[in-house]
Amino acid sequence: GNSVTQMEGPVTLSEEAFLTINCTYTATGYPSLFWYVQYPGEGLQLLLKATKADDKGSNKGFEATYRKETTSFHLEKGSVQVSDSAVYFCALSVSFYGQNFVFGPGTRLSVLP
Amino acid sequence: EPEVTQTPSHQVTQMGQEVILRCVPISNHLYFYWYRQILGQKVEFLVSFYNNEISEKSEIFDDQFSVERPDGSNFTLKIRSTKLEDSAMYFCASNVAGAYNEQFFGPGTRLTVL
Repeated sequence: GNSVTQMEGPVTLSEEAFLTINCTYTATGYPSLFWYVQYPGEGLQLLLKATKADDKGSNKGFEATYRKETTSFHLEKGSVQVSDSAVYFCALSVSFYGQNFVFGPGTRLSVLP
Repeated sequence: EPEVTQTPSHQVTQMGQEVILRCVPISNHLYFYWYRQILGQKVEFLVSFYNNEISEKSEIFDDQFSVERPDGSNFTLKIRSTKLEDSAMYFCASNVAGAYNEQFFGPGTRLTVL
């Protein structure tokens, strides 16, 4: 089946620290990969995506590269801000008609000033 | 910027009651979805809907659940007889036709079953 595994949280960093949140996946077929972010009290927002191997998605200083050989899509940011505190979900999509997403469990990030 | 909207933002109901959660997807989108997130847990797919019929559903989406697009703009999730374990945040999402496109999520409805 299809599944997404993320590193356990919570992750607590100081402002301007480097961030990595690991994500690996198992999928039948050739998935598209996504990172969604959920700020406190809000819904899910797309952060970035990649649809084929070696694609790099990037947005707001965050980056993730689709690594087919390691089935990974790790999220990185060079210098986090307090405003980045949120829950980050890695997700994949393999189904055309339904396109149901499979989400990872989420990683809570807290950035301290 | 167009967005998915959901009402109500919070619904409290008694066990055994019926609830209808409402969503207005983005107007030119053709695929519609419901997900749920039990507090502190991951987001789980419930159902997808295209061309006025369910295209996929998960094992969570049993006979107590139904979806409907009653008009050109609304997309609803009905739970016929709520259980305590239905308490969760329910997210609606939509996207345009085509494979592997991002889904746009609404802000969610928090359902509390007492």
